[in-house]
Amino acid sequence: AQSVTQLDSQVPVFEEAPVELRCNYSSSVSVYLFWYVQYPNQGLQLLLKYLSGSTLVESINGFEAEFNKSQTSFHLRKPSVHISDTAEYFCAVTLQGAQKLVFGQGTRLTINP
Amino acid sequence: DAGVIQSPRHEVTEMGQEVTLRCKPISGHDYLFWYRQTMMRGLELLIYFNNNVPIDDSGMPEDRFSAKMPNASFSTLKIQPSEPRDSAVYFCASSLSAGVISVFGPGTRLTVL
Repeated sequence: AQSVTQLDSQVPVFEEAPVELRCNYSSSVSVYLFWYVQYPNQGLQLLLKYLSGSTLVESINGFEAEFNKSQTSFHLRKPSVHISDTAEYFCAVTLQGAQKLVFGQGTRLTINP
Repeated sequence: DAGVIQSPRHEVTEMGQEVTLRCKPISGHDYLFWYRQTMMRGLELLIYFNNNVPIDDSGMPEDRFSAKMPNASFSTLKIQPSEPRDSAVYFCASSLSAGVISVFGPGTRLTVL
């Protein structure tokens, strides 16, 4: 069965600093990978996804993630964060052809002015 | 599209009472998922349906939990009797089988006293 490990439960950074949220997965077969974001008191929203093709995927608000098959990682990065990026970020995986998502424990990103 | 709709948004009840959570998926989506989110256990998949048929209920914690999907536009998650340890945020999500992307509802925050 597949699993997801988010190595940091909390990441505090200063506004306009770069950030990386780490995600590693384990699976013996090909997977699809996702990052979801949860703003305070809201549901989860899809931030970006890797299904196939280019290993670097981007979101509309400046986040990017790179699929690294050899390291089984899908780390999320942003070169310059804003206060509005304060949220909890969840990495998730599903087997190709399946619908069932397995989530990591989440990383709480806190932006300090 | 109104997105995934959940009701109620907040529910406070006493131990032993029956609780029913409701979900309306996005029109045309043929998969529906129920998740539970707690601080201790993170996001857990409870059960999911495909074309109104339960596919995997291995995440349902015990017999006190039951879920139904009588038609393509409505699902319920029932807890009877409720216990304080059931306090959590319950999310409903839906997806298109071809899309692989789950759209989450805003969640129902359940507090069992």
